[in-house]
Amino acid sequence: AQTVTQSQPEMSVQEAETVTLSCTYDTSESNYYLFWYKQPPSRQMILVIRQEAYKQQNATENRFSVNFQKAAKSFSLKISDSQLGDTAMYFCAPPKIQGAQKLVFGQGTRLTINP
Amino acid sequence: GAVVSQHPSRVICKSGTSVKIECRSLDFQATTMFWYRQFPKQSLMLMATSNEGSKATYEQGVEKDKFLINHASLTLSTLTVTSAHPEDSSFYICSARDRGPGVTYGYTFGSGTRLTVV
Repeated sequence: AQTVTQSQPEMSVQEAETVTLSCTYDTSESNYYLFWYKQPPSRQMILVIRQEAYKQQNATENRFSVNFQKAAKSFSLKISDSQLGDTAMYFCAPPKIQGAQKLVFGQGTRLTINP
Repeated sequence: GAVVSQHPSRVICKSGTSVKIECRSLDFQATTMFWYRQFPKQSLMLMATSNEGSKATYEQGVEKDKFLINHASLTLSTLTVTSAHPEDSSFYICSARDRGPGVTYGYTFGSGTRLTVV
């Protein structure tokens, strides 16, 4: 069974600061994709970044990057130069690669960017 | 990019009635869709996996007779909350797997439906 753990229920930083959200997971698969989603107050789920487990290079999307440690089963999200619009719930999700590949989520981290 | 349209965005119904929520993939075919439920300030809880042309697969603890899922076409999945009661009030979100560049899969979400049962 797949499980994910987000150990930080809430975080708060000042605008322009860098913040790292942690996520650890458990899976028996060797090849899989990892996702970070954000859910702003509008409640629309938005894909932030995706990492393919077989790639050693950490994924980067503008101000968002991941620190993927496959052996440690850790997948943290780093937000650089944080902006007010980054305020949201952030969910870590590791899917399987086979079958229906249902997507389950961690408990989430509520991130607040303060002006 | 892939778009999933979910309707209605809000619905209020009387206790004992049924409510149908639609989820449509607008620019891609979705053989698999997922339905989630979210309580205030909590994470998304997967309810079921909807497969086109076959029966849905429900997660443990989800009443299949209460939450009827139909995936009759490659672009439409519906969730019907039958005989709704106040405890069914929640935020329901659908998601569809879409094929991205190459063989990379992504998941696109609808905008959600807030159901209030009075």
